[in-house]
Amino acid sequence: DIVMTQTPLSLSVTPGQPASISCKSSQSLLHSDRKTYLYWYLQKPGQPPQLLIYAVSNRFSGVSDRFSGSGSGTDFTLKISRVEAEDVGVYYCMQSTQFPITFGQGTRLDIK
Amino acid sequence: EVQLVESGGGLVQPGGSLRLSCAASGFTFSSYWMSWVRQAPGKGLEWVADIKQDGSERHYVDSAKGRFTISRDNAKNSLYLQMNSLRAGDTAVFYCARATESCFRGDCGPDAFDVWGQGTMVTVSS
Repeated sequence: DIVMTQTPLSLSVTPGQPASISCKSSQSLLHSDRKTYLYWYLQKPGQPPQLLIYAVSNRFSGVSDRFSGSGSGTDFTLKISRVEAEDVGVYYCMQSTQFPITFGQGTRLDIK
Repeated sequence: EVQLVESGGGLVQPGGSLRLSCAASGFTFSSYWMSWVRQAPGKGLEWVADIKQDGSERHYVDSAKGRFTISRDNAKNSLYLQMNSLRAGDTAVFYCARATESCFRGDCGPDAFDVWGQGTMVTVSS
C-alpha cells in the first residue's frame, strides 16, 4: 500500500499569513497514463470532507484561488496564500494512483 | 441540487451485520463511480470500497475484503454497503462519495471524490 505522510500534523496561523502543508508518498504517484492522482481535501468541523485540489494542482470548482497545489513524484505541497478564518479544519492529501486508495493522517489548521 | 444521503447506521453487536444505503439525487447516478469512506471517532479518513458505474468492477481495502460488499442499483439511484462480521474497529462514520472518472486507452478508474454525503454513524459494541 502507498503510505501518505503529511507534515506538520497541526499548524496555527495568523489571519492573512500564508500556510503550507507537505504530503509525501512512499511511492511515486505518477501513473502509467502519465497522470498523477493526488488530491487535497478539507474537512471543516462537523462537516464531510470537501475537494479542494485534484491532479496535484487543479483547483476544484468554487475553490478560492488562495489555495494552490504543487509537486510531483512523491513530494506534494498545498499552500494557502492568505489564511482566513473559514479555512479552519483538517486537511487531507489522498492518492488514487494505486489501490487501495489512501489518505494522509491529516493536518489540523487553526487560527491564532 | 447534487446530493448524497446516507442511512442505515446504528448500534450493532460484534459479529453482527448492517446494510448502509446512500441515496443519490441531482445527477446521473449511473455515470459515476461511487465509493464508501469511513472515519473512526477522532481519527482520519479511510477509503473502504468503490464500484464502477455498471457494477462490473469493485475494489476493497484489505480490512473489508470478505466481510463487506459494495453494490448499487442504478434504477433506484442508490449505493449500498453490506457489512458482516462487524468488529469494534469498524466503529466509524461512513460517508458515500461520488467519484469522477479518468480513462486512458479504454481503461477507466475513479478519480476525484467531488461530492460527499453527510455520513451515517456505525457503532459496533456489546
